[in-house]
Amino acid sequence: QSVLTQPPSVSGAPGQRVTISCTGSSSNIGAGYDVHWYQQLPGTAPKLLIYGNSNRPSGVPDRFSGSKSGTSASLAITGLQAEDEADYYCQSYDSSLSAHVVFGGGTKLTVL
Amino acid sequence: QVQLQESGPGLVKPSETLSLTCAVSGYSISSGYYWGWIRQPPGKGLEWIGSIYHSGSTYYNPSLKSRVTISVDTSKNQFSLKLSSVTAADTAVYYCARHLILGGRPYYFDYWGQGTLVTVSS
Repeated sequence: QSVLTQPPSVSGAPGQRVTISCTGSSSNIGAGYDVHWYQQLPGTAPKLLIYGNSNRPSGVPDRFSGSKSGTSASLAITGLQAEDEADYYCQSYDSSLSAHVVFGGGTKLTVL
Repeated sequence: QVQLQESGPGLVKPSETLSLTCAVSGYSISSGYYWGWIRQPPGKGLEWIGSIYHSGSTYYNPSLKSRVTISVDTSKNQFSLKLSSVTAADTAVYYCARHLILGGRPYYFDYWGQGTLVTVSS
């Protein structure tokens, strides 16, 4: 059971907008700690997609955006493309006795 | 461009010690950042194992801390992972990554190695 909760799967047609949620608690996201997102294409290593809740590293298209509110964060992908089909993970810091670095369980995005 | 490459045995026997090394190129470990290990069991999610600074300062996942040792060799620009008393549950792809620590707290991983599959089996 992951400390951060993500939906196992989401799907959307090309061109559509999808969102992936990441729900935490008062010891991580709710405590104000930042959320980061990673994209893992099939058979490859994770890639940093969003850092500090809403910042994109150089080279990441602006179709990807992140936000945070309360104990949750969201990743939004607009103008969905076939190459966006991947697993997406959120990550944050947890101040409890659990691991300082916590990941969500991951969400499989299927482009219909 | 920062590059990381994991290396080590792909098969480890139960109860033995898993040992992996991560060679870093394009950036000096001594220049800053922490350097971490993350694993991913087949078909499952990501689990952080621990991270180390060039000074030797470490953060470990409490659930693995009793079995984990992470060390750094700045002369070779590499860092290593040892996981003792392994079982089948430790079978996973092991990734090394550059880890930003901000305000004294672990932050994000910005560069990752390609990963190496380690299977625990007799």
